[in-house]
Amino acid sequence: ETGVTQTPRHLVMGMTNKKSLKCEQHLGHNAMYWYKQSAKKPLELMFVYSLEERVENNSVPSRFSPECPNSSHLFLHLHTLQPEDSALYLCASSPYPGLAIPDTQYFGPGTRLTVL
Amino acid sequence: GQQVMQIPQYQHVQEGEDFTTYCNSSTTLSNIQWYKQRPGGHPVFLIQLVKSGEVKKQKRLTFQFGEAKKNSSLHITATQTTDVGTYFCAGRGSGTYKYIFGTGTRLKVLA
Repeated sequence: ETGVTQTPRHLVMGMTNKKSLKCEQHLGHNAMYWYKQSAKKPLELMFVYSLEERVENNSVPSRFSPECPNSSHLFLHLHTLQPEDSALYLCASSPYPGLAIPDTQYFGPGTRLTVL
Repeated sequence: GQQVMQIPQYQHVQEGEDFTTYCNSSTTLSNIQWYKQRPGGHPVFLIQLVKSGEVKKQKRLTFQFGEAKKNSSLHITATQTTDVGTYFCAGRGSGTYKYIFGTGTRLKVLA
């Protein structure tokens, strides 16, 4: 058990739906991440939050909207998605927000998203 | 932009054989991490390398960071069926929060 939980674990949605993915870390970490993992592609970083401030937005379409209300919670709000957005969405957290400090990321189990 | 290539993409070995995966970055890295993802699971951190030429060992696993800090390798001695999974490297350039993951090497161990 990594101490990072994600809900739901599976989600099927239509292209016109609005849904949210939730991530919670119980490790006292200060940085949180959203990654997208598609078949036959490397993990793609989507967003990084450090001390609740978004510090990285990796050219992600606006139909994905992150929210970090506090250092323990991270959301990914989804609206008008496309079938190609179907993937495993992984949340991760790490202890330190600093650029100078190499940081270990602890991943949650992921949400398997299918867009019809 | 920064790219991280990983080879091979797949590797099938007989139990007891050795296994190596290689990671190459297009740019110099400040540090590199290795993760293992079991089938149906999520990436789990294995190790982090920071110094040029660094070598670290974890039981049967040996990790190396190249002198130029642009490549890395993971070597498993005498593989076991529990080693099955996909091994990812993740490199970070200086001045960025972003880790670029390699494409991964999927290891299958035949008993």
